[in-house]
Amino acid sequence: TQLLEQSPQFLSIQEGENLTVYCNSSSVFSSLQWYRQEPGEGPVLLVTVVTGGEVKKLKRLTFQFGDARKDSSLHITAAQPGDTGLYLCAGANNAGNMLTFGGGTRLMVKP
Amino acid sequence: GAVVSQHPSRVICKSGTSVKIECRSLDFQATTMFWYRQFPKQSLMLMATSNEGSKATYEQGVEKDKFLINHASLTLSTLTVTSAHPEDSSFYICSARPSEAGGDEQYFGPGTRLTVT
Repeated sequence: TQLLEQSPQFLSIQEGENLTVYCNSSSVFSSLQWYRQEPGEGPVLLVTVVTGGEVKKLKRLTFQFGDARKDSSLHITAAQPGDTGLYLCAGANNAGNMLTFGGGTRLMVKP
Repeated sequence: GAVVSQHPSRVICKSGTSVKIECRSLDFQATTMFWYRQFPKQSLMLMATSNEGSKATYEQGVEKDKFLINHASLTLSTLTVTSAHPEDSSFYICSARPSEAGGDEQYFGPGTRLTVT
C-alpha cells in the first residue's frame, strides 16, 4: 500500500505571507497531482507533475516534484484570502489507474 | 472540458432504505471511474474502482454488497447504498479518468452529501 504523508494539516496565516505544503512518501509515484477543494464541493485539479525534479508554476503557486518522484511541495507566494481551502496531493501508481491521497492541508488566509 | 456531474447533490433518507447516486462524465468517455468517501475535515478515501462493462474493484473494508456499483456505459457510473444506516452518512465523491488521456489525471464530480436519519 502506498502512503502519502501531507504536512502541515492546518495552516492559518495572514494575507501576504508565503507558505509551503509538503507531501512525502517512501513509494515512487508515476505522477503526482495537486487539488484544491472548497467545502461541499469536489476537488479541482491544479496541476500534475510527472518528471522527477519538475517544477511547475501557476500564478502565485509553485509545484515541485522530487528528483526520486517520492515527494512534492506546493509553495504559495503572497497568499490571498481566496487561496483558503483544502489542498490535497495525490500520487498515481505505476499503472496510473489509481490515486493515493495525502491527508490534506487546510489553509486559512486571513485578510 | 473534463466536466463530471453527480446527482443528487444532497439526499436525506431513512434508515433501511437504499439510495442511488449517479456520476456522469459530460464531455468525455471514461472507461474507469472511482468512488470516494470523505468525512468532515478529512481527506478522500477510495471506496472502489468502477470499470465499464465489468465488476467493480472494492478497497479493503468496503462491503461490495452494501455499496453496489454499476458502470453500464462509458459516461455513467452509479453507486447504490443499500439498507442505509446513520453511519453511512458522508460526502460521496466520484471521479472519472478520460479513456483517451495519456496522463493519470482524474476529474472529480461536485460530490453528494448523504444524510441517513
